[in-house]
Amino acid sequence: KAGVTQTPRYLIKTRGQQVTLSCSPISGHRSVSWYQQTPGQGLQFLFEYFSETQRNKGNFPGRFSGRQFSNSRSEMNVSTLELGDSALYLCASSLSGQGAGEQYFGPGTRLTVT
Amino acid sequence: AQSVTQLGSHVSVSEGALVLLRCNYSSSVPPYLFWYVQYPNQGLQLLLKYTSAATLVKGINGFEAEFKKSETSFHLTKPSAHMSDAAEYFCAVSSPRGSYIPTFGRGTSLIVHP
Repeated sequence: KAGVTQTPRYLIKTRGQQVTLSCSPISGHRSVSWYQQTPGQGLQFLFEYFSETQRNKGNFPGRFSGRQFSNSRSEMNVSTLELGDSALYLCASSLSGQGAGEQYFGPGTRLTVT
Repeated sequence: AQSVTQLGSHVSVSEGALVLLRCNYSSSVPPYLFWYVQYPNQGLQLLLKYTSAATLVKGINGFEAEFKKSETSFHLTKPSAHMSDAAEYFCAVSSPRGSYIPTFGRGTSLIVHP
């Protein structure tokens, strides 16, 4: 069974630009969550999608948005990039995103904003 | 509200020594608890989880953790460290009620000396 894949793995952008990151969950998984990981803040929850609907949202500004497609693949978009957006962005999928179900993480996209 | 505190951002042990990584949680309801490991340039991988069954939970790679309600702790242990255990370890808590979105600790970097 293929794991969670994220593309691209590395990205360098300039302040003010926008970026789109992609995540393909494990086949059959309907819940996709996104996290931002930085040395200073650790792992912070961005949002979770289930059946193409945003079900949960973390405490991030509106510049961060996402969507999920009918095949459960998900994208997240960051507009008007700031230096502080430099981070590892992790995507995690699970069957339902409920209960004690395990989250399976992708390798992440390393975003550098210059 | 739920939170996790991991004591010690870095833990250093010799190969063959006991590994003890500390995690204390705060939750208004009996929680689900998780330990994840992250190797360099990879996503997080589940080591073990507690879901209100046995208080001593055994995971992969010889790790185990004990849920102690009176101490609100869920420390991770391994009797004998291997060089390959060097990684970042994250404790996480989620609630059986509500959004189920896990809250992660800041992580503990395990350093194993030969």
